Amino acid sequence: NAGVTQTPKFQVLKTGQSMTLQCAQDMNHEYMSWYRQDPGMGLRLIHYSVGAGITDQGEVPNGYNVSRSTTEDFPLRLLSAAPSQTSVYFCASSQTPSTGNIYGYTFGSGTRLTVV
Amino acid sequence: DAKTTQPTSMDCAEGRAANLPCNHSTISGNEYVYWYRQIHSQGPQYIIHGLKNNETNEMASLIITEDRKSSTLILPHATLRDTAVYYCIVRMDSSYKLIFGSGTRLLVRP
Repeated sequence: NAGVTQTPKFQVLKTGQSMTLQCAQDMNHEYMSWYRQDPGMGLRLIHYSVGAGITDQGEVPNGYNVSRSTTEDFPLRLLSAAPSQTSVYFCASSQTPSTGNIYGYTFGSGTRLTVV
Repeated sequence: DAKTTQPTSMDCAEGRAANLPCNHSTISGNEYVYWYRQIHSQGPQYIIHGLKNNETNEMASLIITEDRKSSTLILPHATLRDTAVYYCIVRMDSSYKLIFGSGTRLLVRP
């Protein structure tokens, strides 16, 4: 099925460990982004990419790295996990917005990360 | 992007219309109003968007005031499955970023 696929669905890390959250989409969307959602809160934008080779910071980028080597994939890396990064992480993609051609975003089902 | 204000929570009876308001008094001429919802802990789901005119699709209707400073999302016949957090977001037509606020938690009562 077409859409945004996130792996893993659940992960427990120890403080200081590193890991990569995977995100892949098969809709040929130019735009991809990562959000985190803490309990009872709205989503906050971490990083986003407007195309292969182009990334930029969102609202809460500290502690996270991203890269975009292909249109399909947009991995999120935690270099040294901290308990404050315990959250649910969502990846989203969209077609390139342009005047008169605005589309909604497609979100993945999320990765639930616990840092102990 | 303009800021939005929504009530923290609302409820309605199953089968009745749910009307969710959103204030966006600082909206500019090229900013669209988007609505998303998040059911339980799933990823947000796109509902509808609009610029000036009222919009309707299979999920909902969007009513935007003439001055564009507020809007209302209407679920015409709410069901229990519509219980969710609903987010109203304002976004420029050339902007990639989608910035979420706190949303409205809608509870549909049996």
